[in-house]
Amino acid sequence: DIQMTQSPSSLSASAGDRVTITCRASQSITVYLNWYQQKPGKAPKLLIFAASILQTGVPPRFSGSGSGTDFTLTISNLQPEDFATYYCQQSYSAPWTFGQGTKVDFK
Amino acid sequence: EGQLVESGGGLVQPGESLRLSCAASGFTLNSYWMHWVRQVPGKGLVWVSRMNSDGSIIDYAASVKGRFIISRDNAKDTLYLQMNSVRADDTAVYYCARVHTAMAPGGNYYGMDVWGQGTTVTVSS
Repeated sequence: DIQMTQSPSSLSASAGDRVTITCRASQSITVYLNWYQQKPGKAPKLLIFAASILQTGVPPRFSGSGSGTDFTLTISNLQPEDFATYYCQQSYSAPWTFGQGTKVDFK
Repeated sequence: EGQLVESGGGLVQPGESLRLSCAASGFTLNSYWMHWVRQVPGKGLVWVSRMNSDGSIIDYAASVKGRFIISRDNAKDTLYLQMNSVRADDTAVYYCARVHTAMAPGGNYYGMDVWGQGTTVTVSS
């Protein structure tokens, strides 16, 4: 199975900050990498697929990059509604696997 | 865009069975791969199982293989997860999710774009 490792596990930030979350795969997954946002008590929401393509309706302050084994999710100009937990997930091969999550909370 | 609604969760004793349902509306289930994902409260997301549009391809996580069965009734636009021989570590919120296929430079790419609200399964004596 492909292991996905996110860092950091949590971070504190303020509105307006630029935040970067990294995700590393245990083997190359080319660009088969998705990012999800989850708020407490809610289902995850797809933000980015294919490592860098923004899902319809997602604000452009979210961006993704990377290929192979190393990926990043960047949130520019952090907004109050962005405080949540973010997960990366590989769709390269079954079993699809998630990172352990990165919680972004208010500093 | 569509909606998914899970049902069937509840309290079940170790070793017993439970069937979860996931009803789709606003789209036709038979056009999509579907997945189950679970989450222990306060913990991360864990992929459980997937099935392709016609049911000919099925995969399971190692932790549930041999105990859980994914199935679908496309005529009813409903996905199922039959959970047998449940254990305490199966306790979680279970989500069903639709897979969106997007064509982009380099190939087709897949993401879970529609999720249900989740149904809670508690395994306890």
